[in-house]
Amino acid sequence: SQQGEEDPQALSIQEGENATMNCSYKTSINNLQWYRQNSGRGLVHLILIRSNEREKHSGRLRVTLDTSKKSSSLLITASRAADTASYFCATAPGSSASKIIFGSGTRLSIRP
Amino acid sequence: DARVTQTPRDKVTEMGQEVTMRCQPILGHNTVFWYRQTMMQGLELLAYFRNRAPLDDSGMPKDRFSAEMPDATLATLKIQPSEPRDSAVYFCASRADMNTEAFFGQGTRLTVV
Repeated sequence: SQQGEEDPQALSIQEGENATMNCSYKTSINNLQWYRQNSGRGLVHLILIRSNEREKHSGRLRVTLDTSKKSSSLLITASRAADTASYFCATAPGSSASKIIFGSGTRLSIRP
Repeated sequence: DARVTQTPRDKVTEMGQEVTMRCQPILGHNTVFWYRQTMMQGLELLAYFRNRAPLDDSGMPKDRFSAEMPDATLATLKIQPSEPRDSAVYFCASRADMNTEAFFGQGTRLTVV
């Protein structure tokens, strides 16, 4: 079963615009991670945010975490064509911190 | 450049045949995951190991799937007998410890005809 659900399922924006993807999850977590998957490839880790953190930055990426609402968001600023990919949130449930459970993903398309 | 290596990359087999997928995790990583990805179900966690011990394989159909780690450098996922509904991309991933990121292999694309 999937722990997280991303919203929207698909997003198409113009190059240069910002892209925001949201993730909601069901149980308490130890950390939340975001991954990117290019078509036909494996997943690549983007950023990890721990349950006691509220915001984290990495280059053009900004991740927020609201444990009271059980939600997270991934913001990609100044999008580029190379950002076209699927983005997944993944959680390490508090009851079993060894696991990593993935959400359903957001397909992001950047129009030139 | 440390990476997770999966073999084979592609496998086409007939229904009823045995399929074995292999994964070499990154040296020093103590947790290994097996995931299955399909359009309908997304990324499903099939099984995972910590320090070679199976921690949870509740995501796997027990009657036909088995996962093992014969040593720290090799994880295997076996399907016997295979069925068309097993067609999917199977990913292996490893990580150094809890609260660290997972590194994924390129996947094995399995087609059962």
